[in-house]
Amino acid sequence: GENVEQHPSTLSVQEGDSAVIKCTYSDSASNYFPWYKQELGKRPQLIIDIRSNVGEKKDQRIAVTLNKTAKHFSLHITETQPEDSAVYFCAATDSWGKLQFGAGTQVVVTP
Amino acid sequence: GAVVSQHPSRVICKSGTSVKIECRSLDFQATTMFWYRQFPKQSLMLMATSNEGSKATYEQGVEKDKFLINHASLTLSTLTVTSAHPEDSSFYICSARDIGQGNTEAFFGQGTRLTVV
Repeated sequence: GENVEQHPSTLSVQEGDSAVIKCTYSDSASNYFPWYKQELGKRPQLIIDIRSNVGEKKDQRIAVTLNKTAKHFSLHITETQPEDSAVYFCAATDSWGKLQFGAGTQVVVTP
Repeated sequence: GAVVSQHPSRVICKSGTSVKIECRSLDFQATTMFWYRQFPKQSLMLMATSNEGSKATYEQGVEKDKFLINHASLTLSTLTVTSAHPEDSSFYICSARDIGQGNTEAFFGQGTRLTVV
């Protein structure tokens, strides 16, 4: 089955700086890679996703890159703000739609 | 986006009792729903895949007799934690995809905080 690894586990950045979170996956059949932001006690919220036929996608301050050959994908947040502080999860899903999550990254943005 | 409603949001039960959690897709049909468990400060761990009209598929290490899943319609899946024990205390969350949209965004329920005392 799919195995998703995520690094780092915690990330502290100064407001205005960039944050990068990296994930690797094991199943070459995986074709959909979403990123979620989860605040304490709440459901995960999709912030951006990318499909296996695309190498990069951007939405305002958030971007995701995918390297299928190396089986890794990354989340980039630019101009970080305090409200970006949360736990971020990467995930990978195969054609059956089963999402396997990374371990999560606690992002802390300090003013 | 599509809405998935999960109920209850919080439940406290006595050890040895059973608890049922409902997951509904409100504005789309979902032949498949997924159940996750999340312990504090940990990731979401997939427990099982709920299939409408057929048996659920459980992940390795998840006891199917303890976590009963029923997917009776295209909009409702239920998870029953039977003979609950304190170690079953966790955040349970379901997700569903709109079958008409292919392999796209999964929509999550609000989650259920289960506390077994």
